[in-house]
Formats: sequence, C-alpha cells, structure tokens
Amino acid sequence: DGGITQSPKYLFRKEGQNVTLSCEQNLNHDAMYWYRQDPGQGLRLIYYSQIVNDFQKGDIAEGYSVSREKKESFPLTVTSAQKNPTAFYLCASKKENYGYTFGSGTRLTVV
Amino acid sequence: GEDVEQSLFLSVREGDSSVINCTYTDSSSTYLYWYKQEPGAGLQLLTYIFSNMDMKQDQRLTVLLNKKDKHLSLRIADTQTGDSAIYFCALTPGYSTLTFGKGTMLLVSP
Repeated sequence: DGGITQSPKYLFRKEGQNVTLSCEQNLNHDAMYWYRQDPGQGLRLIYYSQIVNDFQKGDIAEGYSVSREKKESFPLTVTSAQKNPTAFYLCASKKENYGYTFGSGTRLTVV
Repeated sequence: GEDVEQSLFLSVREGDSSVINCTYTDSSSTYLYWYKQEPGAGLQLLTYIFSNMDMKQDQRLTVLLNKKDKHLSLRIADTQTGDSAIYFCALTPGYSTLTFGKGTMLLVSP
C-alpha cells in the first residue's frame, strides 16, 4: 500500500546536537512538506518542496534544514541553532489537485 | 497572513450531533479541508469542500460553507466515543501551502 513513512517515531536529542528526521513516500507525489506541532498551536510550516532539488522556507524555518535529492525522500535536520526543538513533527505530501497525505509523525524531545 | 480560527474544545454526549466551527480571513482557497488527529498520530483527511459549494454530505459528516461570512463548519451526526480527537480546519489561501487552525478537541462522553 502507498503511504508516507516517518522515522523514528520517538527521538531524543542532547543539547547542541543535530538530528535528522526521515520522511519517505511511495505515492509518486510531487510536493512534500514539514510541519511542526506544539500543544495549542496547531501546525506550523517549516519547509516545503514542490520538485526535486528545490525547496522553500515556511513560516518557522530558522534552525532547520532540508534536502530533496529524490522525489520519494524529504529529510529534515533539526540543528543546534533551533533553541526549542521539542515538538511533534509531521511530514506530508501532495499531488496536484489532490489532498495532502500525512505521515504518523516523529516526537522529538531534548534531554 | 491568513487567520484560521477555531474554538479549542467541544464536549458532547454519545449519540448527539457535534458541530465544529471555523472562520477564516482569506477567501481565495479553492478547497477547504477537515482533518482528524487521534492522540500521538498523524492527520487523517476526513472530508473537503470545493469553494463553489455550499454543502457536502458524506455519511455522518456534513460540511457547510458560508463564503459571505467566511465560515466553515463540520457536523458529525450520531457522535461516537471513537470520534473523540482533535479536528483541524485547513485551507490554501492564495493557492499557497496548507494553513491550519489551532484545532478543536472533541470529547465524547458515554
């Protein structure tokens, strides 16, 4: 079955450490997105990519980086510059004229 | 930017109807969506409505769109305890990326 796979489900980061969250889709969707969810805040857009080798900053891109080397993959790196990284991270993909499909999320905690 | 507002909490009894409301400021979105999120999970697309429609019904779900008042609602008939979740209204203002409300937590009691 087609879908989006996020891994790991839970991730712990030490202060000053970079971590990478994985997002893979086999839906042949062109666009992919990363959202951050905090309690009571809804979802906020971090980065998005409409095509391979191209991506744009969202509303809260500072302290994050992404790459889009393959259509199927859109990893998100949370760098040490992100001062408050503890959150639930959701990846989504979209094919033109269809709705968004979401992964099951990664919960990142700073320890 | 686009503002999407939802009430934060709704509590109903099993068997009752639930109505979750959403207001927005930018009316350029072609599609307006309702997503459901269960605890610790991703978002599941429940239903959507095209901007030139007033109403869409899908089994127990009814979506109403009032473009003049920029108001979207989701009605769940015969609400069950399994409907307890957070419900997000979302739209794509100016044909840009998906913008979400902060979500309405629906609690269904037996």
